[in-house]
Amino acid sequence: GQNIDQPTEMTATEGAIVQINCTYQTSGFNGLFWYQQHAGEAPTFLSYNVLDGLEEKGRFSSFLSRSKGYSYLLLKELQMKDSASYLCAVRGDNYGQNFVFGPGTRLSVLP
Amino acid sequence: KAGVTQTPRYLIKTRGQQVTLSCSPISGHRSVSWYQQTPGQGLQFLFEYFSETQRNKGNFPGRFSGRQFSNSRSEMNVSTLELGDSALYLCASSFTGTEGPGNTIYFGEGSWLTVV
Repeated sequence: GQNIDQPTEMTATEGAIVQINCTYQTSGFNGLFWYQQHAGEAPTFLSYNVLDGLEEKGRFSSFLSRSKGYSYLLLKELQMKDSASYLCAVRGDNYGQNFVFGPGTRLSVLP
Repeated sequence: KAGVTQTPRYLIKTRGQQVTLSCSPISGHRSVSWYQQTPGQGLQFLFEYFSETQRNKGNFPGRFSGRQFSNSRSEMNVSTLELGDSALYLCASSFTGTEGPGNTIYFGEGSWLTVV
């Protein structure tokens, strides 16, 4: 089966660092994606991992361990505008955009 | 360049009716996928079209169907609407769907469907 787990909600303070974890069990693996979604808006792409290790992109970093079925998204120097839902998604097939999304983690950044 | 465009943005339908939603992908993108998003179930994959052919399909009943035209634009149709079909329907496009970081999918703003 396909299963992706993320914490439902997290709260952090402006300027702090937060780590959002994602664990997955899928029938195949062809990349793990992180998306940000503000309330009432479309998801927007944040990061992509297909090999083990850390991918850094400005204030955002994403880590992947394929053997553990585990990823995390690290957000540094949190800003109020980072308050959003963060979606972990796995592409299981070699062909096609058949993504399995996690339930999303709603992050609230407090002043 | 223009992003993924979905129409209509908001619509209200009555139970039993049918609805058609439209999606224009980013220019050059040939893969179009559709997702349903609800508060309880999150984002769920409906189907993907590539070069006018359905390439992948999620676990939704046959009332949900779609198609893709030669210009890569796509439509999805839901027949015999049920209250539970109320959701945000998101369309996403990508180049080809093959391996590589360049095949990130880009989402449209979505169509908010309310069934009453």
